[in-house]
Amino acid sequence: GESVGLHLPTLSVQEGDNSIINCAYSNSASDYFIWYKQESGKGPQFIIDIRSNMDKRQGQRVTVLLNKTVKHLSLQIAATQPGDSAVYFCAENMGSGTYKYIFGTGTRLKVLA
Amino acid sequence: GAVVSQHPSRVICKSGTSVKIECRSLDFQATTMFWYRQFPKQSLMLMATSNEGSKATYEQGVEKDKFLINHASLTLSTLTVTSAHPEDSSFYICSARRGVGEAFFGQGTRLTVV
Repeated sequence: GESVGLHLPTLSVQEGDNSIINCAYSNSASDYFIWYKQESGKGPQFIIDIRSNMDKRQGQRVTVLLNKTVKHLSLQIAATQPGDSAVYFCAENMGSGTYKYIFGTGTRLKVLA
Repeated sequence: GAVVSQHPSRVICKSGTSVKIECRSLDFQATTMFWYRQFPKQSLMLMATSNEGSKATYEQGVEKDKFLINHASLTLSTLTVTSAHPEDSSFYICSARRGVGEAFFGQGTRLTVV
């Protein structure tokens, strides 16, 4: 079936540097995307979302970019901090009123001091 | 943000027994709740979609008779793992959707079947 996947399972960055986490999705009908952060033993925490009628959205230290042409989603974290260390998932709403979220594989972000 | 409470956070049960996990939306009404299962170092796998007042919709490969879902009110959904076996040990996470926007997640339940 269709799914969301990630290019990099683990990403190590130096504290203070910018991080970019990528995600590829395959369902062209998906109309809403979310990035979640999950710390060990906890449930996912909402970071930022974007609708399919947008190509960029900025939050506090985070930016999500959506490229519908190549079905690619990215999460940019500015000035990465130790507290950013976690697993990051992209999730897509399958659209057509399904209201289901399908999660990608996940990327572990390690922030090096 | 909205709060979703999941209880218990951890549970250990004997093989063959049943376990009930509760998911509550504390400050909003959730017409739709979702149940996910997550194995160590893996992504969340959607098990079922729970709509208030109606039967849950299960994803392919998920046994509906084993994972009983009840969504009796706009703020509560329950997942009961029946006749649990060690292979059912996992991290179970619920989420509640408010309208057509983001879904809010509970803190998860670590189930260990011994």
